Amino acid sequence: EVQLVQSGAEVKKPGESLKISCKGSGYSFTSYWIGWVRQMPGKGLEWMGIIYPGDSDTRYSPSFQGQVTISADKSISTAYLQWSSLKASDTAMYYCARPGTGTTAWDYWGQGTLVTVSS
Amino acid sequence: QSALTQPASVSGSPGQSITISCTGTSSDVGGYNYVSWYQQHPGKAPKLMIYDVSKRPSGVSNRFSGSKSGNTASLTISGLQAEDEADYYCSSYTSSSTLNWVFGGGTKLTVL
Repeated sequence: EVQLVQSGAEVKKPGESLKISCKGSGYSFTSYWIGWVRQMPGKGLEWMGIIYPGDSDTRYSPSFQGQVTISADKSISTAYLQWSSLKASDTAMYYCARPGTGTTAWDYWGQGTLVTVSS
Repeated sequence: QSALTQPASVSGSPGQSITISCTGTSSDVGGYNYVSWYQQHPGKAPKLMIYDVSKRPSGVSNRFSGSKSGNTASLTISGLQAEDEADYYCSSYTSSSTLNWVFGGGTKLTVL
């Protein structure tokens, strides 16, 4: 069974750094893109970026380029989303997702990681 | 990168049919058959309901169907049920962004 399991909720202060994770299981981690999606409180879904763990090819939405870093450690089947200096506006739910086999649609989703940034 | 355009809300009574539109451009919806639809209940992760414009993943009710005409894709839900009340998002492959994926703004479906 394909599963994406994300790290737990985080409460941080502005200016702090953070790295959240998404661990894939039940499939070949290096063979599928992993995407990250932001959902701010009461708002819609936004694509942040995607990574192909097989060769670490990474692409960012222009809105998030330079604001976050996406990476992956294929030895432990885990993708990461990190911030070097959080802002209050980074408060949101973050989801990771994986496409289905033979499709470009995002069929598998993590449970989400809630990040709260507050002084 | 502009989001695809969806109505903010739609509503219908149990048993009725509703349609949610998703309007883009020739660089996304109109240019590729890679439109997908996601259902999201409050506090839950999104769930894929339709992919490649009109295909249904295994396990998704055949009350859900998708179509496309020009730069506008549509999701139709027939025989509305209370459990269909949720937010719905379209997404499309796009050639106008380095990321190649874009979401619609989302539509709140209310079952009256």
